[in-house]
Amino acid sequence: DVKVTQSSRYLVKRTGEKVFLECVQDMDHENMFWYRQDPGLGLRLIYFSYDVKMKEKGDIPEGYSVSREKKERFSLILESASTNQTSMYLCASSLSGGEGNTIYFGEGSWLTVV
Amino acid sequence: RKEVEQDPGPFNVPEGATVAFNCTYSNSASQSFFWYRQDCRKEPKLLMSVYSSGNEDGRFTAQLNRASQYISLLIRDSKLSDSATYLCVVRRNDYKLSFGAGTTVTVRA
Repeated sequence: DVKVTQSSRYLVKRTGEKVFLECVQDMDHENMFWYRQDPGLGLRLIYFSYDVKMKEKGDIPEGYSVSREKKERFSLILESASTNQTSMYLCASSLSGGEGNTIYFGEGSWLTVV
Repeated sequence: RKEVEQDPGPFNVPEGATVAFNCTYSNSASQSFFWYRQDCRKEPKLLMSVYSSGNEDGRFTAQLNRASQYISLLIRDSKLSDSATYLCVVRRNDYKLSFGAGTTVTVRA
């Protein structure tokens, strides 16, 4: 079974703090993703990585950065957290290539910025 | 306009009923289509892919209509355990995924 693990499930941070969200997958997947999910908006892609040290902006990258130093680990960084970044953050991974590859999600990290 | 739009529901149905709902997508170049299921405060999980000819998986039937740019999901003989939010997912031509906001289904005893 594919396992995508998000180490921090519930966080409360203050405005302006730096926040790290860590994600590890154990299936040697090339692709890793960070999404946020907000009521009524669905999942929105923040960043995407298709290889170690490679990253690509998603639909809403502003206010976020990412790091992929090892294949199994993909970190999301909020340099200076703001209240509008309160959300559920979902990490995901998949094999590379095209249409048939299933995307697997971690359990989510619930971030509240006060 | 959102790339993927779904009726948020909720669809409240009795056990044993049939429930069906659609999802529309805006990008005619979209390549692949999926339904994901998400339980409350849990991560989404793949329910089924949607193929051009339509496909079934047990009590679940998915259809794709490329001309009208919508996909549908039908659940027969609803079970209490089918209560969840169903996310419509479309793979774009850049291989990224676009998600609908979800349709909530509640099956009551």
